[in-house]
Amino acid sequence: DAKTTQPNSMESNEEEPVHLPCNHSTISGTDYIHWYRQLPSQGPEYVIHGLTSNVNNRMASLAIAEDRKSSTLILHRATLRDAAVYYCILRDENTGGFKTIFGAGTRLFVKA
Amino acid sequence: GAGVSQSPRYKVAKRGQDVALRCDPISGHVSLFWYQQALGQGPEFLTYFQNEAQLDKSGLPSDRFFAERPEGSVSTLKIQRTQQEDSAVYLCASSLAGGAYTEAFFGQGTRLTVV
Repeated sequence: DAKTTQPNSMESNEEEPVHLPCNHSTISGTDYIHWYRQLPSQGPEYVIHGLTSNVNNRMASLAIAEDRKSSTLILHRATLRDAAVYYCILRDENTGGFKTIFGAGTRLFVKA
Repeated sequence: GAGVSQSPRYKVAKRGQDVALRCDPISGHVSLFWYQQALGQGPEFLTYFQNEAQLDKSGLPSDRFFAERPEGSVSTLKIQRTQQEDSAVYLCASSLAGGAYTEAFFGQGTRLTVV
């Protein structure tokens, strides 16, 4: 399974947009890009996923580079409840996508 | 319940003791995953079930770890002769179907402490 690279931590002010980057230079054509987040003492929570096109949902937007070697998770207005560890992961359709490698993720700090 | 349920939430085991961790996935979910999460790190894949079939167990760290899902719903992760390095949070996740495009729902995890 392909791996991803994320910054260890980022900081944002409340009610401002946040752009969380992820590099996946070895991505294959059958890898889906998923984002999950984990609040303290909770299991990971699904945020969004995509394959090639940009995606929007009620939680966030996912911008995928044209060459698919990087992506950005966009939180449009950060709140204190968005403080969490954000994981960018790849899931390979060829293998059923179950052997997911999470990595250390990006810890997002949100300042009031 | 509406989500993935894991029990117990916390477990303290003496070194050498056997433990069993339970996962109740969302009803009707075909896929079930187990992960191990050490403090300050991301979850690491342990094993995967599609219905009752264990399709991949390559992440299980040793033969002391065993997982089953006999009827394709509830799953149990068993650790025999626990050691201190087994201390971690064990996460279970389920998804409606197999496939890389599906969303996985995680439980809150079981925190295992081996003393």
